[in-house]
Amino acid sequence: EAGVVQSPRYKIIEKKQPVAFWCNPISGHNTLYWYLQNLGQGPELLIRYENEEAVDDSQLPKDRFSAERLKGVDSTLKIQPAELGDSAVYLCASSLNGNTEAFFGQGTRLTVV
Amino acid sequence: AQSVTQLGSHVSVSEGALVLLRCNYSSSVPPYLFWYVQYPNQGLQLLLKYTSAATLVKGINGFEAEFKKSETSFHLTKPSAHMSDAAEYFCAVRAGANSKLTFGKGITLSVRP
Repeated sequence: EAGVVQSPRYKIIEKKQPVAFWCNPISGHNTLYWYLQNLGQGPELLIRYENEEAVDDSQLPKDRFSAERLKGVDSTLKIQPAELGDSAVYLCASSLNGNTEAFFGQGTRLTVV
Repeated sequence: AQSVTQLGSHVSVSEGALVLLRCNYSSSVPPYLFWYVQYPNQGLQLLLKYTSAATLVKGINGFEAEFKKSETSFHLTKPSAHMSDAAEYFCAVRAGANSKLTFGKGITLSVRP
């Protein structure tokens, strides 16, 4: 069974440029998460989806970050414009539902220069 | 609200020695608790989970953890460390069903030959 797939693995952009990350969750998983992981820290939730609905986006900086999950499957996280402080690893995870364990992708390492 | 405390940022043990990684949690309702492992440049992999069944939980790679409600703890142990156990370990808590997964800051485990 394929795991959570994220792309790209690495991305380097200049500040003020836009960037997008893509996530394909495990087939059949209704819940999808985007986490931000700064160096030496634990992951912090940005947004959680139940199917197409964003049920928790309280930690998403909505002035520059946006996310969507079309048809309740794949998801895209976008930053526009990127700032130096956005340099981090962006992790996508999915779970069967909100009660079960989350499975993580390998992450996208973003460097903003 | 829920939270996780992982005291210390780094633990070093000799190969073959006992591994003990501490985790204390805070939750207003009976929690679900998880330990994840992260190898360099990889996503998080689930080691084990506690979901209100047996208080002693066995996971992969010889790890286990014991849920102690009176101490609000969920410490991770392994009787004999192996070089391949060197990684970052994260404890996480979910305060009941359909709540967000909150991670601790993580502990780096080093294993000396």
